[in-house]
Amino acid sequence: KAGVTQTPRYLIKTRGQQVTLSCSPISGHRSVSWYQQTPGQGLQFLFEYFSETQRNKGNFPGRFSGRQFSNSRSEMNVSTLELGDSALYLCASSLGVGDLSYEQYFGPGTRLTVT
Amino acid sequence: AQSVSQHNHHVILSEAASLELGCNYSYGGTVNLFWYVQYPGQHLQLLLKYFSGDPLVKGIKGFEAEFIKSKFSFNLRKPSVQWSDTAEYFCAVNALFGGGLVFGAGTILRVKS
Repeated sequence: KAGVTQTPRYLIKTRGQQVTLSCSPISGHRSVSWYQQTPGQGLQFLFEYFSETQRNKGNFPGRFSGRQFSNSRSEMNVSTLELGDSALYLCASSLGVGDLSYEQYFGPGTRLTVT
Repeated sequence: AQSVSQHNHHVILSEAASLELGCNYSYGGTVNLFWYVQYPGQHLQLLLKYFSGDPLVKGIKGFEAEFIKSKFSFNLRKPSVQWSDTAEYFCAVNALFGGGLVFGAGTILRVKS
């Protein structure tokens, strides 16, 4: 079974721009979660989507948003980029139901650099 | 808010040495517990998980972890490490009622051959 895929793998943007990252979950998985990984803050939860609805949200400003499509693919968007948004953005998928909803499988990430 | 503490940021061991990485979490309710591993140049992989039942859980590659509810701990162990175990290890917790995974800061393990 193919794993979680994320595109693009690397991205360079300028402050003030906006960016969209994409994630395709493992086939059959209905939940997608997004995380930000930085050297200073470590891995932090952004949000989770299940059946096209945001189910949970972490403590990030409104500039960070996401959505999920009917095929479970997900995108996250960051508007008005700041230097501090430079990070590895990880997507994780899970079945989304029952105990197994918490067993998440991670993609390789998108490395975003804001200059 | 939930938090996860990993006691050591860097650990250096020789091959065949035993490994124990500490993990404590701060949540009093029912939780699911995980250890993830990130090998150099690779993405996060699930090493093992605890949902309920036997508090001693076995994962891949000879790793095991013990859930001690009274100590809010979920320590990772391996009796004999190999050079290929060199990686960063993350402990994570998820409360049953939802929310994403809360990760510890990670422990970088280097195994000397």
